Amino acid sequence: QKEVEQDPGPLSVPEGAIVSLNCTYSNSAFQYFMWYRQYSRKGPELLMYTYSSGNKEDGRFTAQVDKSSKYISLFIRDSQPSDSATYLCAMIGDTGRRALTFGSGTRLQVQP
Amino acid sequence: EAQVTQNPRYLITVTGKKLTVTCSQNMNHEYMSWYRQDPGLGLRQIYYSMNVEVTDKGDVPEGYKVSRKEKRNFPLILESPSPNQTSLYFCASSFGPSYGRFQETQYFGPGTRLLVL
Repeated sequence: QKEVEQDPGPLSVPEGAIVSLNCTYSNSAFQYFMWYRQYSRKGPELLMYTYSSGNKEDGRFTAQVDKSSKYISLFIRDSQPSDSATYLCAMIGDTGRRALTFGSGTRLQVQP
Repeated sequence: EAQVTQNPRYLITVTGKKLTVTCSQNMNHEYMSWYRQDPGLGLRQIYYSMNVEVTDKGDVPEGYKVSRKEKRNFPLILESPSPNQTSLYFCASSFGPSYGRFQETQYFGPGTRLLVL
């Protein structure tokens, strides 16, 4: 079983929809939780991060972490065609090694 | 512009022919690492470096070498590439422990797509 599970999609939504992306994980040592966005033929770029449990909001994006359920979510409000990309959840337990453990990514397509 | 650069971006080679993928960052970051990305597996760390002359294995180090002689550069070396090393490779960097607090943001390069025949 993978340490981080993520539905690969693809997920297709109409413009303006609310998008929900999720990951589950098994390692209780994870402390930092990130969401990266990866456009085709580009490297991942950090969208949001959360330390421990809780919510964090940044514009149209909201990240949620529930450590008791080992479940993290990213919500995108008022989705735009420019949001079409692969979204990767990532986590860090050992902050010394800084090794990100990634989900396999969910491909999102926002239709105009 | 703050960035991580990788070269080459695309590479086709044959089994056993040594190759080097370069990585350079202009942000004065202490920490650098290499990942490979494979379908269904996500990104997995190959090697990392906490500072000049300090390197260590990640999760999938077999068949790879690295060096860190300068702060800005962190090349990935495949001494005898094999077809199972066909993958998309990313270099990443961030501030290290001397910055004071844990820095969550890692900056990724654009990727190097490698095909080993």
